[in-house]
Amino acid sequence: DARVTQTPRHKVTEMGQEVTMRCQPILGHNTVFWYRQTMMQGLELLAYFRNRAPLDDSGMPKDRFSAEMPDATLATLKIQPSEPRDSAVYFCASGLVASGHSSNQPQHFGDGTRLSIL
Amino acid sequence: KNQVEQSPQSLIILEGKNCTLQCNYTVSPFSNLRWYKQDTGRGPVSLTIMTFSENTKSNGRYTATLDADTKQSSLHITASQLSDSASYICVVSVNEGTYKYIFGTGTRLKVLA
Repeated sequence: DARVTQTPRHKVTEMGQEVTMRCQPILGHNTVFWYRQTMMQGLELLAYFRNRAPLDDSGMPKDRFSAEMPDATLATLKIQPSEPRDSAVYFCASGLVASGHSSNQPQHFGDGTRLSIL
Repeated sequence: KNQVEQSPQSLIILEGKNCTLQCNYTVSPFSNLRWYKQDTGRGPVSLTIMTFSENTKSNGRYTATLDADTKQSSLHITASQLSDSASYICVVSVNEGTYKYIFGTGTRLKVLA
């Protein structure tokens, strides 16, 4: 089965450091999502891309977070500088959405990056 | 305010029993409703997706229902197995030009032998 691959699986670093999380979407999928999950807030959508173009990043703190898709096989989420409140599990998901159609397609999630900022 | 509420927060049942999880939402304009299963330490896995016009959808032993009038959905698990122990998350998507996803906080299910 094709899977979304996220690296690293775990990251522990000190506050103020830059953190980069990577995601390889399923080949052929044209939509990539970044989510954050915490015990307190549950799952939250941070940003998503369609055909590598950012469509919505309103869920993402703009001052320190950035998301990019340098090519169709790689999506990145960066935090700079990181803060303890950024500690969470970050999930990437990908899906296939036909142009002009609604999002009634399943999203396929990776197993996440567990981030701890000390 | 767009909200999705799930109940119960947690549930313990014996293997082989059935159970029903609830999801109530106040979301507009509604696009679709999804149920996900999330095992500990893993990403969510899609179980069902229902649009406004669909009122039931099955995936093996999982059956989701949707009442768009009362804005309620349920996920029924038949003949539960130990592997059903997981969190079940209800997600409603909103079409506001771009799509917004409103997540419930989940129901944590434990199936005991």
